[in-house]
Amino acid sequence: EVQLVESGGGLVQPGRSLRLSCTASGFTFGDYAINWVRQAPGKGLEWVGFIRSRAYGGTTEYAASVKGRFTISRDDSKSIAYLQMNSLKTEDTAVYYCSRLNTYASGIPFDYWGQGTLVTVSS
Amino acid sequence: DIQMTQSPSSLSASVGDRVTITCRASQSISNYLNWYQQKPGKAPKLLIYAAFSLQSGVPSRFSGSGSGTDFTLTISSLQPEDFATYYCQQSYSTPALTFGGGTKVEIK
Repeated sequence: EVQLVESGGGLVQPGRSLRLSCTASGFTFGDYAINWVRQAPGKGLEWVGFIRSRAYGGTTEYAASVKGRFTISRDDSKSIAYLQMNSLKTEDTAVYYCSRLNTYASGIPFDYWGQGTLVTVSS
Repeated sequence: DIQMTQSPSSLSASVGDRVTITCRASQSISNYLNWYQQKPGKAPKLLIYAAFSLQSGVPSRFSGSGSGTDFTLTISSLQPEDFATYYCQQSYSTPALTFGGGTKVEIK
């Protein structure tokens, strides 16, 4: 069974940093791109960024709203993806979800999701 | 970036109703269009991928259609467990894999 579990959320002050983890199981982690999506309270879904598999260079892409502040990385030996969030702003407050980006399927969907972890940026 | 526009933003319907949600892309995205269902406090769940392919385990009352810029999600006979928010999402254009604004389906 494919599972993704996020961790690392919490309360952080503006300007500080936080690192989220996404621990995967039930599939060959290294073969898939991993995606991060966030949802501010009462709002819709916002794509944050993704990291490609090593076979595709392990490169990353980011939304304009987080580019230069957030960094996605992966440790295939541990089946974990990370979202390093620096210079946090109050508007980064959201539930953060990781998901598997299935580049092998037509449409390239986000086919499995974690349960999410809440990040609150407040003084 | 490609913009995704969903309509309506909300709707009220009764159990047994046929419900249609539309999604329009700001430019052609071929069939790189996916639909998700999200219930309150839960993670989104993939329903339809590549515009019309049903994800494994999803009831057949859900269907998708469209290509290019205009897409539709249809629920043929609304069930109590279908009251949720639905999002479209495009994977045609990186880097931004954008979502629509969502459609909340409420009980009439």
